Amino acid sequence: QSALTQPRSVSGSPGQSVTISCTGTNSDVGNYNFVSWYQQHPGKAPKLIIYDVTKRPSGVPDRFSGSKSGDTAYLTISRLQGEDEADYYCYSYAGTYVVFGGGTKLTVL
Amino acid sequence: QVQLVESGGGVVQPGGSLRLSCVASGFSITRSGVHWVRQAPGKGLEWVAFHRHDGITKLYADSVKGRFTLSGDDSRNTVYLQMNSLRLDDTAVYYCTKDRDNTWAGEYWGPGTLVTVSS
Repeated sequence: QSALTQPRSVSGSPGQSVTISCTGTNSDVGNYNFVSWYQQHPGKAPKLIIYDVTKRPSGVPDRFSGSKSGDTAYLTISRLQGEDEADYYCYSYAGTYVVFGGGTKLTVL
Repeated sequence: QVQLVESGGGVVQPGGSLRLSCVASGFSITRSGVHWVRQAPGKGLEWVAFHRHDGITKLYADSVKGRFTLSGDDSRNTVYLQMNSLRLDDTAVYYCTKDRDNTWAGEYWGPGTLVTVSS
C-alpha cells in the first residue's frame, strides 16, 4: 500500500494556472477511475474538489479540473486566487484499499 | 443536512485501546459507506478503514490491520472504530467521511477527533 507520488510544493501567481501531478501504479490510478482530490486549509478538515477523475461536486468552481493519463492523475487550477493557497491531496481506490498521495503545498505568490 | 461528528479521542498509553465513534446525520449508514482517515501532526492524510453500507464489507490499511476493527450500529446511525494495541505512530486527528455514491470519495467530513498515544 504505497502512497501516491505528488510534488511537495508548487506555486503560481494570481491569474495563472498550476497543475499538480499524482503518480500511482497500474494497481490504483492506472486501473480505476476512482481518483479524487482534496483541498485542505490549515487546521481544517479536507474538502472534496474532484471525484471520479474529472467530476466536480456542486459548489466547487470550474477553475478546478481533473484528468488522468495512464498511471498519473492531474489537478489543474486555473485563474489562481489567493484563497487557493492550501494543501492538495490525491486519492485512489486500489481494489482492497484506498491510498492518498503525500500532499502538495500550493503557494500563491 | 449531512453531518458527521467524531468522538472518543484522548490520551492513551502505548498498547492501550480506544473506541472512536462517528455519528452520522442527514443520511443512513445503511445506504452510504463511511471512511476513516487520519492525519498525524504536521503530516499528510492517511486512509485508515472503510465501512461499507452493507455492514459486511470492511477494508483496512495494512498499518492498522489486525489492530483496528470497524463496526456499525444502524439504530444509532453510528460507525465505530475500535483501536487496540495502539502505538506511538497512531497519534493523529481521526476523521470520518461519508463516501459519495460508491465513488470511494469522501464527500462530507467531520471535524475530527485527536488521538494521542504517549507514555
